[in-house]
Amino acid sequence: AQSVTQLGSHVSVSEGALVLLRCNYSSSVPPYLFWYVQYPNQGLQLLLKYTSAATLVKGINGFEAEFKKSETSFHLTKPSAHMSDAAEYFCAVRAYSGAGSYQLTFGKGTKLSVIP
Amino acid sequence: DTAVSQTPKYLVTQMGNDKSIKCEQNLGHDTMYWYKQDSKKFLKIMFSYNNKELIINETVPNRFSPKSPDKAHLNLHINSLELGDSAVYFCASSQSAGGPYNEQFFGPGTRLTVL
Repeated sequence: AQSVTQLGSHVSVSEGALVLLRCNYSSSVPPYLFWYVQYPNQGLQLLLKYTSAATLVKGINGFEAEFKKSETSFHLTKPSAHMSDAAEYFCAVRAYSGAGSYQLTFGKGTKLSVIP
Repeated sequence: DTAVSQTPKYLVTQMGNDKSIKCEQNLGHDTMYWYKQDSKKFLKIMFSYNNKELIINETVPNRFSPKSPDKAHLNLHINSLELGDSAVYFCASSQSAGGPYNEQFFGPGTRLTVL
């Protein structure tokens, strides 16, 4: 079964500092990996996805992630944190579940706090 | 215009009651999903529904049943509600054509509280 592990349930950074949220995957086949963001009391929004076209993936709001097969990692980064980045971030892997459906399996999430 | 909508946004009810949560998507997608997010923010798939075929997560109690009147709707019915059902329930949709890279669009969630 495919799975993802997010290291660190809570990360705090100062405004303007580098954001690094860690995600490692477990998959016997090339994984389909995603990062989603959840702002307080809202649904999930896609930040970026790995499509195998490039190992460095750029997403919305200045976020990017690098797929490293040798390390089975797909860490999320942003060079300079903004107050508006404070949210819960989820790494997810997508697997075929039958009948044309691809279900997402999520990590446990990392809450990002940004300190002014 | 909201892509994936859910009603109600909040639902407070007594243990033992039966309730429904509605989900509608206007994206023309052919696959819809229900996820449960517990108090620790952990998200878990409950169901996926594609072309009238239901894929059920084996850990979901049979008190939960999805019902799809048409391709744009996937409602969630819950019978005999229990305290442990308290959670936020998210509906999502995607297009199966194009495979696993297609984005799943999520609704705003329904916070269910069972007293």
